[in-house]
Amino acid sequence: DTGVSQDPRHKITKRGQNVTFRCDPISEHNRLYWYRQTLGQGPEFLTYFQNEAQLEKSRLLSDRFSAERPKGSFSTLEIQRTEQGDSAMYLCASSPSWGGGPYEQYFGPGTRLTVT
Amino acid sequence: GQQLNQSPQSMFIQEGEDVSMNCTSSSIFNTWLWYKQEPGEGPVLLIALYKAGELTSNGRLTAQFGITRKDSFLNISASIPSDVGIYFCPTSSNTGKLIFGQGTTLQVKP
Repeated sequence: DTGVSQDPRHKITKRGQNVTFRCDPISEHNRLYWYRQTLGQGPEFLTYFQNEAQLEKSRLLSDRFSAERPKGSFSTLEIQRTEQGDSAMYLCASSPSWGGGPYEQYFGPGTRLTVT
Repeated sequence: GQQLNQSPQSMFIQEGEDVSMNCTSSSIFNTWLWYKQEPGEGPVLLIALYKAGELTSNGRLTAQFGITRKDSFLNISASIPSDVGIYFCPTSSNTGKLIFGQGTTLQVKP
């Protein structure tokens, strides 16, 4: 399977704990995006990388959130001191920067975070 | 800010019926995409539109990019139970980030 993969698929944590999610994009894609989706809503943009450079961050990405893509391949999203409002589906997507361009993003299955 | 409206919000149809849903925006866009999302999964890209007036098909799905670049529609012909899901029509900023509306939820009765 050469699609976008995310790990873990589900995470339950207690308020105040730190969590880290991983995303492995499609191998030839140099752009990687993180989105957050709450129940009944469409995904909301969090941040994106071109290769290892983080080029844009949403205001939704508070100081407790940090994302990295150290070698321009996989990416991690860390949430520190989780709050109940962080409960959501965290989606990763990747795209090439040529042809149809960055617009045709391919999503992973998501990580469902529940903060108790 | 940019507003993206999808209608209808939900649809409940009989298997075999044709379906039509649309998206409108207050802003002009150069790209319009259609995705389908099933419960517990990430959105799956169905169709990408790049030119005003463009009409593109993918199997039983047909989508068009409006001439004004402020709207798009998606038609599904002869619906089947596996068409069930939430359909999104995000547009894209210059940086490529997708801007989603609330989606159209489709339910198909066998």
